[in-house]
Amino acid sequence: GQNIDQPTEMTATEGAIVQINCTYQTSGFNGLFWYQQHAGEAPTFLSYNVLDGLEEKGRFSSFLSRSKGYSYLLLKELQMKDSASYLCAVRDGSNTGKLIFGQGTTLQVKP
Amino acid sequence: DAEITQSPRHKITETGRQVTLACHQTWNHNNMFWYRQDLGHGLRLIHYSYGVQDTNKGEVSDGYSVSRSNTEDLPLTLESAASSQTSVYFCASSERETQYFGPGTRLLVL
Repeated sequence: GQNIDQPTEMTATEGAIVQINCTYQTSGFNGLFWYQQHAGEAPTFLSYNVLDGLEEKGRFSSFLSRSKGYSYLLLKELQMKDSASYLCAVRDGSNTGKLIFGQGTTLQVKP
Repeated sequence: DAEITQSPRHKITETGRQVTLACHQTWNHNNMFWYRQDLGHGLRLIHYSYGVQDTNKGEVSDGYSVSRSNTEDLPLTLESAASSQTSVYFCASSERETQYFGPGTRLLVL
């Protein structure tokens, strides 16, 4: 079966660092995506990992371990505008390119 | 600037009516997708297309249909709207791996 797990909610303090974890069990693997979604808005692309290791993009980094079926999104120097849902999605192993989404993690940044 | 748009942004309809949601992209992407987003379920794939005249069923396709007559548009039709189809609908497009989402349509079926 296909399963992607992420925590439902997290809270962090402005200026701090937060790590959002994602574990997956899918039939095949062709990459893992992180999207940010503010309330009432569309998901926007943050990062894409297909090989093991850390990808850094400014304040945001994403890590992947394919052998463990595990990824995390690291947000540094948190800002109030980072309050949003963060969606983990896996591109399955078929040649269709379909994404399977987790339910998302709602992050609240407090002053 | 190239973009992806959806219309209408909000729609209220009655049970049993046929409803069509529009999705239009100007990136010239071959791949287009329709998702619904509900509390507790995340984004679920309804239908997708890899090019003109190509359509495929996703995870939750019952009660929905799509057609792809050109590259830019993938309209989603609810054949006979049901209250269970009350949801937020997102269209997305991609050329390679990354999908880019439209602003969404909030549909209420009474």
